[in-house]
Amino acid sequence: EAQVTQNPRYLITVTGKKLTVTCSQNMNHEYMSWYRQDPGLGLRQIYYSMNVEVTDKGDVPEGYKVSRKEKRNFPLILESPSPNQTSLYFCASRLQGVGQPQHFGDGTRLSIL
Amino acid sequence: AQSVTQLDSHVSVSEGTPVLLRCNYSSSYSPSLFWYVQHPNKGLQLLLKYTSAATLVKGINGFEAEFKKSETSFHLTKPSAHMSDAAEYFCVVTPSGGYNKLIFGAGTRLAVHP
Repeated sequence: EAQVTQNPRYLITVTGKKLTVTCSQNMNHEYMSWYRQDPGLGLRQIYYSMNVEVTDKGDVPEGYKVSRKEKRNFPLILESPSPNQTSLYFCASRLQGVGQPQHFGDGTRLSIL
Repeated sequence: AQSVTQLDSHVSVSEGTPVLLRCNYSSSYSPSLFWYVQHPNKGLQLLLKYTSAATLVKGINGFEAEFKKSETSFHLTKPSAHMSDAAEYFCVVTPSGGYNKLIFGAGTRLAVHP
């Protein structure tokens, strides 16, 4: 089954403790992206990757890192999480090209205390 | 700057009545437009997309949307609401030439009452 898989689905942690949210897709998509969803703001893009070893900042990259060493994986790293990063995070992937729809994971709810 | 405005944050309808979720966009050139649906504790699922072909686009679950360039609108409709349509809906635009970027509306929460 074609899917985007995120782990963990839920995490409660404390300020300053490094964490990684994994994302994996099995559709051989070139493009992958991370979003955060906050009430009343829709989804905002954090980082995206057009292919292996090619990443770029989205609208809200501060406090986040990503890497794309393999085509299928695109982990999101919070080196020193802070409470303002408490949010619902989504990973997505798609084929390259105009008008290609994104396929989303089920989300990761992070709470930073 | 590109933007997407969903005109209603909440819409409430009775089962069996029509659904209208409104979306206006701002884009310099011909954009690609999408509607996504998000059910509780789930990711976003594509309902339909417009990419400069037919202006009336049919999607899954009986939804459709009409691209009106003169009004810069892409409203989502369904003739008859079902209880399972209760969810949050997002209008999304990809600006022409900026297809690595998606711009999301703030979302419309649809409630369906028996």
